[in-house]
Amino acid sequence: DTGVSQNPRHKITKRGQNVTFRCDPISEHNRLYWYRQTLGQGPEFLTYFQNEAQLEKSRLLSDRFSAERPKGSFSTLEIQRTEQGDSAMYLCASSRGQINTDTQYFGPGTRLTVL
Amino acid sequence: QQQVKQSPQSLIVQKGGISIINCAYENTAFDYFPWYQQFPGKGPALLIAIRPDVSEKKEGRFTISFNKSAKQFSLHIMDSQPGDSATYFCAARQETSGSRLTFGEGTQLTVNP
Repeated sequence: DTGVSQNPRHKITKRGQNVTFRCDPISEHNRLYWYRQTLGQGPEFLTYFQNEAQLEKSRLLSDRFSAERPKGSFSTLEIQRTEQGDSAMYLCASSRGQINTDTQYFGPGTRLTVL
Repeated sequence: QQQVKQSPQSLIVQKGGISIINCAYENTAFDYFPWYQQFPGKGPALLIAIRPDVSEKKEGRFTISFNKSAKQFSLHIMDSQPGDSATYFCAARQETSGSRLTFGEGTQLTVNP
């Protein structure tokens, strides 16, 4: 299976600690997205990359959040000084970047619990 | 600011019945409207999508109806099966805004055998 993969699948951390998540997109997909999903809600957009360039960031992405996509392949999302409100499922998606019919394929997510 | 509103929050139907989920949007610049299906512990998976230049799209048991003037669209699942039990999300996208998807709140569908 060459779908979007995310690691780790689950992360439990204490408030104030830093965490880092990894996303490996479908090969040859040049767009990569991060979303956050809280229980009972739809995913909310955080940021997206076109190749290695971070083109858009949501205002939900506070200064404690940083995302990178070196060399336009995998991406990492780091949260510094975690807070209990950061507890959520963090979803990664990738797409080819086609005009009009660009389908985003989602990974299984990383569930973060901040104690 | 909730740009895509989805209803109902939960839905229970009998096997063989029709499931209908509705969404309404505010931003007239949206140009692509997908529906995603999500099972517990999994990421959302694309089910079917429509662009605003057509009023209906059908793929197997799944149909999207689109009303551009009312800024509403709906998902119809014909002959609903227990395996369809999942959470369904409508979404909308404006290509010129970088392809971010704006999701509805989700509908938890339960199909009883």
